[in-house]
Amino acid sequence: AQTVTQSQPEMSVQEAETVTLSCTYDTSESDYYLFWYKQPPSRQMILVIRQEAYKQQNATENRFSVNFQKAAKSFSLKISDSQLGDAAMYFCAYRSATLRTDKLIFGTGTRLQVFP
Amino acid sequence: NAGVTQTPKFQVLKTGQSMTLQCAQDMNHEYMSWYRQDPGMGLRLIHYSVGAGITDQGEVPNGYNVSRSTTEDFPLRLLSAAPSQTSVYFCASSPYRGMAKNIQYFGAGTRLSVL
Repeated sequence: AQTVTQSQPEMSVQEAETVTLSCTYDTSESDYYLFWYKQPPSRQMILVIRQEAYKQQNATENRFSVNFQKAAKSFSLKISDSQLGDAAMYFCAYRSATLRTDKLIFGTGTRLQVFP
Repeated sequence: NAGVTQTPKFQVLKTGQSMTLQCAQDMNHEYMSWYRQDPGMGLRLIHYSVGAGITDQGEVPNGYNVSRSTTEDFPLRLLSAAPSQTSVYFCASSPYRGMAKNIQYFGAGTRLSVL
């Protein structure tokens, strides 16, 4: 069974600085997707970024980028030029690309605080 | 385009009562899912559907029923509510094809308290 681990329950960063959130996962599959979701206090789940395992290039979305290390099963999220609006819970998630399933496996989340 | 709509947003039940959480999506997505979110545990899959008429169990299915009679709707039924079902519930949908393939879009959630 696949698992997702986020070992940092809380992180903090100063506005305009850079912060990296860690995520590791375990799977025996070779084809899968990895995601970072943001959950602000409104509790709405918002997709931040998606990585397809067969793509070696790291995904980037504006100030958000990932460091995907497939052999190490590591998928960290880097937030550059942090803004107050980035304060939220961040969840790492895994999804099989080979099974016809709608199952996302989530980590336990990292709470990010942004200080002015 | 409303996306994924969940109703109600809040609900308080007494132990033993039944209710249905509604979920509707207008994006013609094939896949739909229900998750529960408990403090410190992330989101856990309850049930999911890969198309109308097809449902399957997730990680924590006990105490919940689902059905999928149309592509748009995927209601979650609690037959006899228990305090352990106090949680925040999320419905999600995702397309099977296209650029957004396998990206899950979430509703705003339902906060349920069982007394």
